[in-house]
Amino acid sequence: DSGVTQTPKHLITATGQRVTLRCSPRSGDLSVYWYQQSLDQGLQFLIQYYNGEERAKGNILERFSAQQFPDLHSELNLSSLELGDSALYFCASSSQGTLSSYNEQFFGPGTRLTVL
Amino acid sequence: EDKVVQSPLSLVVHEGDTVTLNCSYEVTNFRSLLWYKQEKKAPTFLFMLTSSGIEKKSGRLSSILDKKELSSILNITATQTGDSAIYLCATGGTSYGKLTFGQGTILTVHP
Repeated sequence: DSGVTQTPKHLITATGQRVTLRCSPRSGDLSVYWYQQSLDQGLQFLIQYYNGEERAKGNILERFSAQQFPDLHSELNLSSLELGDSALYFCASSSQGTLSSYNEQFFGPGTRLTVL
Repeated sequence: EDKVVQSPLSLVVHEGDTVTLNCSYEVTNFRSLLWYKQEKKAPTFLFMLTSSGIEKKSGRLSSILDKKELSSILNITATQTGDSAIYLCATGGTSYGKLTFGQGTILTVHP
């Protein structure tokens, strides 16, 4: 158990809908990262927040947005869902916001999103 | 754009064998290389290699970073069925936390 929690574990929804995925980082970690894992694309970085502020952005679609709240939990919002958005969404956390030594990222159990 | 390539994509061995997994990278402003093990769900952290730490070892697992060749290897000795998993290599190339992952190596260890 990494200490990172994600809810829900599974989510089944229809195309065009909007969903919210939630992540709580390890105690004391300030950075939260969101990744998408699909069979054809592998594990892809979406976005990073550090202490409430957006720090880095990957190939995140405009239909997707995220935020980190004062208690450091984070939410990933996915809207106008398409079939291709079906994937495993991981949240990870680390103590700092940079890739310095000992700043490894610990992954949560993931949310499996199925869009029908 | 940063790129990480792992080889082989798939590997089948028997218990007791030694395996070597490869990872090569093209990263702007390389900062670190990380190895993860992914079984059923979440990737679990194995090693982090940086310029100040190019070799790591934990039990039967060890990893080396070759900054000249822009590559890393993960060695697993005396493999066990519990080592069956996807092994992911990832690199970070900016001052922030973004990781670029390779496609992974699927390791299957038969009894």
